[in-house]
Amino acid sequence: KNQVEQSPQSLIILEGKNCTLQCNYTVSPFSNLRWYKQDTGRGPVSLTIMTFSENTKSNGRYTATLDADTKQSSLHITASQLSDSASYICVVSVTGGGNKLTFGTGTQLKVEL
Amino acid sequence: DGGITQSPKYLFRKEGQNVTLSCEQNLNHDAMYWYRQDPGQGLRLIYYSQIVNDFQKGDIAEGYSVSREKKESFPLTVTSAQKNPTAFYLCASSRSYYEDTQYFGPGTRLTVL
Repeated sequence: KNQVEQSPQSLIILEGKNCTLQCNYTVSPFSNLRWYKQDTGRGPVSLTIMTFSENTKSNGRYTATLDADTKQSSLHITASQLSDSASYICVVSVTGGGNKLTFGTGTQLKVEL
Repeated sequence: DGGITQSPKYLFRKEGQNVTLSCEQNLNHDAMYWYRQDPGQGLRLIYYSQIVNDFQKGDIAEGYSVSREKKESFPLTVTSAQKNPTAFYLCASSRSYYEDTQYFGPGTRLTVL
């Protein structure tokens, strides 16, 4: 069964600090991995996408890494801001079409002053 | 949220009633999707449509129905047969069914009274 597990479930950090979120997956055959940011009560917005051959991808203060051998990904947030408070969702897709996405349960991040 | 709108933002339903959630997109996307989001769970696929006048059941279609009479519209009806309909519902679209970058709407929160 395809699964995506994220850790930690929730995280509180001070503004300006860095943090790293983890994603482990058992999805086959792997096509790509995305990180989404979801503000409370809103729809998810894509941050990064990585295919099998990509090890790292950056989007501003967000940097995602992918280790396809160990089936692990991380999302590193640098110099956090209050607006980074959101749920971060890891999504893995297999080849075959748009109904082949497996969503993680998300990491709830809160950035405080 | 791109060019996807969902209405209403909040919806309250009495037990035994059917309700319809609206989803409209102006992205000229062929494929559209409905997901359900519950606390502590990843998004789960209810129905998807690869192209106008076509739709397929997802993982949790029981108690739901959809139509795709127009390319830009993909309404979801939550019927009285859905035993636990209280949830956050997200609509998404992608350029084609085989391009899995999905763009999400802002969501509708349905509460059964």
